[in-house]
Formats: sequence, structure tokens, C-alpha cells
Amino acid sequence: DVKVTQSSRYLVKRTGEKVFLECVQDMDHENMFWYRQDPGLGLRLIYFSYDVKMKEKGDIPEGYSVSREKKERFSLILESASTNQTSMYLCASSLSSLLQGVAENEQFFGPGTRLTVL
Amino acid sequence: KQEVTQIPAALSVPEGENLVLNCSFTDSAIYNLQWFRQDPGKGLTSLLLIQSSQREQTSGRLNASLDKSSGRSTLYIAASQPGDSATYLCAVSRGTDKLIFGTGTRLQVFP
Repeated sequence: DVKVTQSSRYLVKRTGEKVFLECVQDMDHENMFWYRQDPGLGLRLIYFSYDVKMKEKGDIPEGYSVSREKKERFSLILESASTNQTSMYLCASSLSSLLQGVAENEQFFGPGTRLTVL
Repeated sequence: KQEVTQIPAALSVPEGENLVLNCSFTDSAIYNLQWFRQDPGKGLTSLLLIQSSQREQTSGRLNASLDKSSGRSTLYIAASQPGDSATYLCAVSRGTDKLIFGTGTRLQVFP
């Protein structure tokens, strides 16, 4: 079974702090994703990485950056946390559609990190 | 621009009922559609993936169908149980690797 883990289930930070959210997957997946989930807005893609050191902006990248130094680990960084970044953050991974057919490509999610910025 | 809609937003049913959750999308040019389950405060669990060339997929009491031409998918849950209570999300592929999500249907099954 694919396992995606996130470093914290709950996190409380203060405005202006630098925040690191870590995600690790154990299935050698090329693709990794960071989403945030807010009531009424659903899941929105923040950043996507399709290989080590490769990244692509999602729909809402402002205020965030990412790092992927190793294939299994994808970090989301809030350079200066703000209250409007209080949210549920979800990490996901999948095989590359270059290796597995696009139609078969399935995303697997971690348990989520509930971040509160005070 | 692809938009995914799920109706109803919430549903409450007695145990034992068969029920249908709906998902519609505006652009039929998709590669696949996934159904997920999310328990409160938790991550998403993948339930079923239907490839664009397929009409349906089944797993236990769950059956998902896909009608690409009309932009619709349904998730059928047979003989519902209280343990089925959760939010159900559908998502369609966008480009090659990314997904667009609906906002979900919150299901409550009461004993």
C-alpha cells in the first residue's frame, strides 16, 4: 500500500513565523502535490512537483514556496505566516503519467496538517 | 475552464438505504475520474478510479459510473451503514497529472 505521511497533524504558529510542512511518500512516486482545503472552497492546488528539484505553481501559490531535494520528500514553506493561511494542508503523491498511463494515474493522500496561524 | 459540481452538498439517510451521490463536470475531455472519502479532520482515501474509456467500477458495496459525454458520474452505495458517514469527493483529471476537485457531499447515515 502507498503510504504518504505528514510531519504534524496539528500545528499552531504566530503571524510572521516561517513554517515548514513536511511530506514523505514511500512508493517511489515521481509526482507530489500540496493542497489546501477550506470550507466551501474545496481542495485547491498550491504547488506540484514532477521530479526532484522540479516544481510547478498551482492555482494559489502566493505566500508559499516548496522544496524537493529528495524524491520521497516534498516540503511546503510559508515564508511569513499570515492568519489567512489557517487551513487544512494535504499532501498527495502519484506515479508520473509518463510511466503509467494517464488514465490509470491515481493520487494518494496523507492524513493532513491542520495549521492555525494566530 | 473545468468546473466540478457535487449535488447534494449534504445528505442524511437511515441505515440500510441505497443511495446515489452525483458529480458533474463541464469539460468532457478528461482522462479519469476519482472518488474519494474523507472522514472529519482526516486526509482523503481513494475509493474508485474510472478511466475515461470505462463506464463503471465496483468495489464491495460501492459502484461508480461515468458518462463522459454528458459530464456526469454517480457513486452508488448499497445498503448504507453508519460507518459510511463521511464526506465524499469526486475529482477529474486536469492535463496529465493534476486533479480538479468538487466541493463534496457530506453523508450521514443514522442507525
